[in-house]
Amino acid sequence: GENVEQHPSTLSVQEGDSAVIKCTYSDSASNYFPWYKQELGKRPQLIIDIRSNVGEKKDQRIAVTLNKTAKHFSLHITETQPEDSAVYFCAAPPGANSKLTFGKGITLSVRP
Amino acid sequence: DAMVIQNPRYQVTQFGKPVTLSCSQTLNHNVMYWYQQKSSQAPKLLFHYYDKDFNNEADTPDNFQSRRPNTSFCFLDIRSPGLGDAAMYLCATSSSGGTDTQYFGPGTRLTVL
Repeated sequence: GENVEQHPSTLSVQEGDSAVIKCTYSDSASNYFPWYKQELGKRPQLIIDIRSNVGEKKDQRIAVTLNKTAKHFSLHITETQPEDSAVYFCAAPPGANSKLTFGKGITLSVRP
Repeated sequence: DAMVIQNPRYQVTQFGKPVTLSCSQTLNHNVMYWYQQKSSQAPKLLFHYYDKDFNNEADTPDNFQSRRPNTSFCFLDIRSPGLGDAAMYLCATSSSGGTDTQYFGPGTRLTVL
């Protein structure tokens, strides 16, 4: 099965700085890599995803990079704002499967 | 505008008293998932349906059952809730599975007394 790990488990940054969260996966057949943001008491929501045929994807202040050889993908948030404070989960599907395996999540705190 | 709806939002039950949680979707998605999420943890997949095909996770307790009577609705039945089953239960849908976005409902917070 798929094993998804996130590093670090918590991250604190100053407002305006950049934050990078890394995720590793084990199944080389995985081909889709989403990042979900969950604010306290709310549902997880997709913020960005990347497929295995591209190396990088950007959406305003958020970007995701994928290294298939090393089997890791990273979330990059630039110009962080207090509203970026949340738990971020990465996920990957185990091969050609209809489900996702989630990482344990990282708590990002943005200090004003 | 609500796409994935869960009812109730809060459910209180007694130890051992069966409870049913409801999920409905307006997206006409093929796949529906049930997750259990405890405080400060990742969502843990309990099972999912691909259309009518039921897929149980190996470590999902027998105490948890699910029904999907049609495309729009899916139910989570907890036959004999224990104190350890207190959690947030999240329903999610996706169009066709692992490579599609999962849309989560707001969740049902289950309390077991």
